[in-house]
Amino acid sequence: DVKVTQSSRYLVKRTGEKVFLECVQDMDHENMFWYRQDPGLGLRLIYFSYDVKMKEKGDIPEGYSVSREKKERFSLILESASTNQTSMYLCASSPQSRGSTYEQYFGPGTRLTVT
Amino acid sequence: AQSVAQPEDQVNVAEGNPLTVKCTYSVSGNPYLFWYVQYPNRGLQFLLKYITGDNLVKGSYGFEAEFNKSQTSFHLKKPSALVSDSALYFCAVRPGDSNYQLIWGAGTKLIIKP
Repeated sequence: DVKVTQSSRYLVKRTGEKVFLECVQDMDHENMFWYRQDPGLGLRLIYFSYDVKMKEKGDIPEGYSVSREKKERFSLILESASTNQTSMYLCASSPQSRGSTYEQYFGPGTRLTVT
Repeated sequence: AQSVAQPEDQVNVAEGNPLTVKCTYSVSGNPYLFWYVQYPNRGLQFLLKYITGDNLVKGSYGFEAEFNKSQTSFHLKKPSALVSDSALYFCAVRPGDSNYQLIWGAGTKLIIKP
């Protein structure tokens, strides 16, 4: 089974702090994604990466950055956390190979609260 | 703009009755269509997908979905609901010209009452 793990289930940070969210997948997937989930808004894509050191902005990249130094690991960084970044953060991965249907596999999520 | 709509924020069904959770989409090309489920405080789990072929696809936990190209819909169904089906359901669509991204609906909360 595909396994996607996230470093923390719950996180509480103060306004202005730098926050790191880590995601690791064990299926050698090329694509990795960071979403935030807010009630009534569904999933909104923050960033995605299709290869090591490659990244593309999603729909809401402002206030976030990402790092992908190894294929299995994709990190989301909040440079200076703000209260409006309080949310559930979901990491996902998907294969990119020919014939793939590109379905995404999700981690358990990190619920971040910024006070 | 490409979009996915789940017109109902919440669906209430009595246990044992059939259920339907609706999804319509507006995307380019021939899409791939997905349903995911999220139980409380959990990540999303894949339920089923339509890629090509038979319009009725079957998935996990007794769920099925019907692809209707003319109505651009992909409604999720189950003949007999269980209380344990209560969860948040998301429809997602991969546009025909995308290799990476899924476009997500806002989610529908399904409540099954005993």
